[in-house]
Amino acid sequence: DQQVKQNSPSLSVQEGRISILNCDYTNSMFDYFLWYKKYPAEGPTFLISISSIKDKNEDGRFTVFLNKSAKHLSLHIVPSQPGDSAVYFCAASPGGMLTFGGGTRLMVKP
Amino acid sequence: ETGVTQTPRHLVMGMTNKKSLKCEQHLGHNAMYWYKQSAKKPLELMFVYNFKEQTENNSVPSRFSPECPNSSHLFLHLHTLQPEDSALYLCASSQPRGVNRDGYTFGSGTRLTVV
Repeated sequence: DQQVKQNSPSLSVQEGRISILNCDYTNSMFDYFLWYKKYPAEGPTFLISISSIKDKNEDGRFTVFLNKSAKHLSLHIVPSQPGDSAVYFCAASPGGMLTFGGGTRLMVKP
Repeated sequence: ETGVTQTPRHLVMGMTNKKSLKCEQHLGHNAMYWYKQSAKKPLELMFVYNFKEQTENNSVPSRFSPECPNSSHLFLHLHTLQPEDSALYLCASSQPRGVNRDGYTFGSGTRLTVV
């Protein structure tokens, strides 16, 4: 049973527009959430994180939103750039060990 | 370079071969992990080491054998693999269990093909 789910396997967005990637979780013990970005033939790289005591964290073009009541988090990328094309994984932790979602492939078209 | 180095980057091996994957980090982390990424599947946790001790074995077949001689090095020994074991094998490191703001640092992975 997957505790962290990314229900959209792929997303296509026009350059300059907003990309919204979604993630749902089931374990209410998760208290820290992260987003990773992965290019082909490379390992995932850390992008942005959020603690369960917050509902929003922003870093440049990237914003993560957390809705604890809905057990849902989302990553907003504004404006989207072709270099953002990659697979994005959300991950959640109850205090150290990470559980990953299945990933969403984002394609940003010029 | 992320600080976690994996070698080799690519490996092709026959089903009767024995090979080893190597991972090295000098980030001062004391936890190291092996993950498997197959096509169209989530990242699968295989093994976890904390302070050189294996703390997690996620029901991995015995044809995969991990070794952690010290906190900086992690190996994955492979023998009599099957074609379905072909995947990207990722190593990661982190601070030990506890709140970890940046999560794990991943290596670039070893692309394994079993023929």
